[in-house]
Amino acid sequence: EAGVAQSPRYKIIEKRQSVAFWCNPISGHATLYWYQQILGQGPKLLIQFQNNGVVDDSQLPKDRFSAERLKGVDSTLKIQPAKLEDSAVYLCASSLWGTLKYFGPGTRLTVT
Amino acid sequence: GQQVMQIPQYQHVQEGEDFTTYCNSSTTLSNIQWYKQRPGGHPVFLIQLVKSGEVKKQKRLTFQFGEAKKNSSLHITATQTTDVGTYFCAGGLSGGSYIPTFGRGTSLIVHP
Repeated sequence: EAGVAQSPRYKIIEKRQSVAFWCNPISGHATLYWYQQILGQGPKLLIQFQNNGVVDDSQLPKDRFSAERLKGVDSTLKIQPAKLEDSAVYLCASSLWGTLKYFGPGTRLTVT
Repeated sequence: GQQVMQIPQYQHVQEGEDFTTYCNSSTTLSNIQWYKQRPGGHPVFLIQLVKSGEVKKQKRLTFQFGEAKKNSSLHITATQTTDVGTYFCAGGLSGGSYIPTFGRGTSLIVHP
């Protein structure tokens, strides 16, 4: 069984630039999560999808972050414009239902 | 909102010593999960606890869920250098959609 795929693995941008991350969940997994993990902290949920509907996005900074999950499969997370404090690892995860078991390798973003 | 707290933040042990990390929630949880994250890696699912007072073992790891379903612990017996990493708990509120909230994690450093 293929795991959760993410790209790119690393990204370096300057502040005020835009960036996009892509996630392909495990086949058949209806629930998809985007987490932000700042160095030394636990993952913070940005947005949770159930199929292509949003379950929770209460911690997503909507003035600069956006996410979509077209057709209930792949998902894209975008930041525009980026700030220095957005430097973090962005983790995508998926689950069939209930338990969050599978994380992707993450995208490490550095904003300079 | 829901908060999940973990202590300690760091723990240094000599190889062969025991290790325990504690997780506390401000609200009653429907269930709790534990993850291990190696340096530079992504969280890897270890186990899920669902029932009040539940105790589960995985080789040298023992997981407990409190009677009130507001706290949990992970105990490692006779640590090995392979146990190095950060251990996270994550839980969701009882009732409603399951939205996993992570603690800050406990980083375990094992000295040979």
